[in-house]
Amino acid sequence: SAVISQKPSRDICQRGTSLTIQCQVDSQVTMMFWYRQQPGQSLTLIATANQGSEATYESGFVIDKFPISRPNLTFSTLTVSNMSPEDSSIYLCSVLAENTGELFFGEGSRLTVL
Amino acid sequence: AQSVSQHNHHVILSEAASLELGCNYSYGGTVNLFWYVQYPGQHLQLLLKYFSGDPLVKGIKGFEAEFIKSKFSFNLRKPSVQWSDTAEYFCAVNPDSWGKLQFGAGTQVVVTP
Repeated sequence: SAVISQKPSRDICQRGTSLTIQCQVDSQVTMMFWYRQQPGQSLTLIATANQGSEATYESGFVIDKFPISRPNLTFSTLTVSNMSPEDSSIYLCSVLAENTGELFFGEGSRLTVL
Repeated sequence: AQSVSQHNHHVILSEAASLELGCNYSYGGTVNLFWYVQYPGQHLQLLLKYFSGDPLVKGIKGFEAEFIKSKFSFNLRKPSVQWSDTAEYFCAVNPDSWGKLQFGAGTQVVVTP
């Protein structure tokens, strides 16, 4: 199994600011993903974080709003830019165990935008 | 639109009762199916998964799920729940690329002593 650490675990942010969430994995992984869980809703995939190249975004998510970095096989960041209250969510980092097909999740970063 | 539907948003039951949570999906073709659980204050973790083979899948903590292809369903069951099964349960489908899961809305299960 993979151990995933996210920072910050929670934050309260002002409208119009940006926040970067870090995800550290205890082993090298090829596939890393960012999900969002809005209040009272299910998880939605934001993007696939690709090592050494630009992230692949899902429909409804764009790089300008959610820039992602993946400098190596154990680390990624997600930035939530120009935040509005609608961005208040839990943001989760996940990694794929390719031998089992299982997704492992971090504990999430709970953002509240005022 | 392709989707994953969980039939109940909230379930309250007593210890030792049986639990069944419904999950239907609308994707055609081959899919991989998952149930994830999130205990209070903890991260999401995998309960069980189905890729192929025996449609009755056994997972951790006494849970099982049955894949019925003709009904596009993957219902989760546990014969006798415990208070520690209080959690939110998510059904998920992986219709194409590995790791790109489509989640259901989740079912909050509360087990009373």
